[in-house]
Amino acid sequence: QVQLVESGGGLVKPGGSLRLSCAASGQIFSDYYMGWIRQAPGRGLEWLSYISGSGSAKYYADSVKGRFTVSRDNAKNSLSLQMSDLRVEDTGVYYCARAPYYWAFDSWGQGSLVAVST
Amino acid sequence: QSALAQPPSVSGSPGQSVTISCTGTSSDVGGHNRVSWYQQSPGTAPKLIIYEVTYRPSGVPYRFSGSKSGNTASLTISGLQAEDEGVYYCGSYTSSVTLVFGGGTALTVL
Repeated sequence: QVQLVESGGGLVKPGGSLRLSCAASGQIFSDYYMGWIRQAPGRGLEWLSYISGSGSAKYYADSVKGRFTVSRDNAKNSLSLQMSDLRVEDTGVYYCARAPYYWAFDSWGQGSLVAVST
Repeated sequence: QSALAQPPSVSGSPGQSVTISCTGTSSDVGGHNRVSWYQQSPGTAPKLIIYEVTYRPSGVPYRFSGSKSGNTASLTISGLQAEDEGVYYCGSYTSSVTLVFGGGTALTVL
């Protein structure tokens, strides 16, 4: 039974930084690509980032490229998203998810709320 | 990268079939067999129901099926049940090595 638990969300001012973490259990973590997806309040899904099992390949949406950095620690079964220069439009629920299939996510965390506001 | 186009809402009666479309371009839906579909109920994380256009993950009922023609992918739900209500999103790999989602379609079971 795969379990993903996000943490690190909260309220931050525009221009600030935040680091999200995702703890994985119930799987061989390094076997899987992982991703981050967010959902603004009342809006649809937006893909943010994708990282290979080894961590050597990383991909980003244009909206966060240069501001967000994805990383993973396979020894700790942990995925992270370092977010900087945050903007009001970055507000939303952030999900980590597992990708056992090519660019498709079968297991999702419960989500972590990030609010960017003055 | 523009979002894939989905109808805002669809509806059907129990037992009927409904189809949700997802239209992109030759750079995403039309150019790759990497289309997935997700079902999301209020306050919960999305659930994968179709991947790589036509494949169902273990545990997803046979009532859910996916297809693609040109730049448009489709999700068909047959034998509609009340529990199928929710918002459905398509997603597609793109030639820019990114993923793009559709805007979502709200399914109402009448």
